Amino acid sequence: NAGVTQTPKFRVLKTGQSMTLLCAQDMNHEYMYWYRQDPGMGLRLIHYSVGEGTTAKGEVPDGYNVSRLKKQNFLLGLESAAPSQTSVYFCASSYSLSGAGTEAFFGQGTRLTVV
Amino acid sequence: QQQVKQSPQSLIVQKGGISIINCAYENTAFDYFPWYQQFPGKGPALLIAIRPDVSEKKEGRFTISFNKSAKQFSLHIMDSQPGDSATYFCAARRLGAQKLVFGQGTRLTINP
Repeated sequence: NAGVTQTPKFRVLKTGQSMTLLCAQDMNHEYMYWYRQDPGMGLRLIHYSVGEGTTAKGEVPDGYNVSRLKKQNFLLGLESAAPSQTSVYFCASSYSLSGAGTEAFFGQGTRLTVV
Repeated sequence: QQQVKQSPQSLIVQKGGISIINCAYENTAFDYFPWYQQFPGKGPALLIAIRPDVSEKKEGRFTISFNKSAKQFSLHIMDSQPGDSATYFCAARRLGAQKLVFGQGTRLTINP
């Protein structure tokens, strides 16, 4: 059981380049999330999805786009990378909003450096 | 805006001691308060969670204490071990909301 898988694990981009981060979950979860983690800032929500074909903005959405064409996949795109987007990115998923399904399962993270 | 404030930012505790991490929140609509544990190079994983209808929840050496009137909750790690060295995040979620709000994180180091 793979859980939540993120690709790639590491990436270096030049300013202005674009890239897509892929998140895949095999737990049939409805809810998926993209966070960024920066020192002293905790985990900040970029975008999230409450089901296939839906997306919504989180706390820090500027400079990012997302798509959820399939229930198991959630893609995070950077159209024109900036040094301020240097961070560790985490994808997470959860089954429901109540009871035991509330737990969020996280991927291993993608360390992105923009030079 | 930071809706959940976590302290301290870093903490060093001797093996066998008690580690205490605190969180405070403003939104009284929050109804679910989990703690996540993150080891270096890994994603966060759920450690323990509490709802505001109880004042304390214990799982092994880990205890959450919840003070609804003060809008504060804390994580206590009893008999702290070097294997507990990690970053800990508190979080909160509003009833029916789809997203968690995380604190800033605490880097805990347990010295042998």
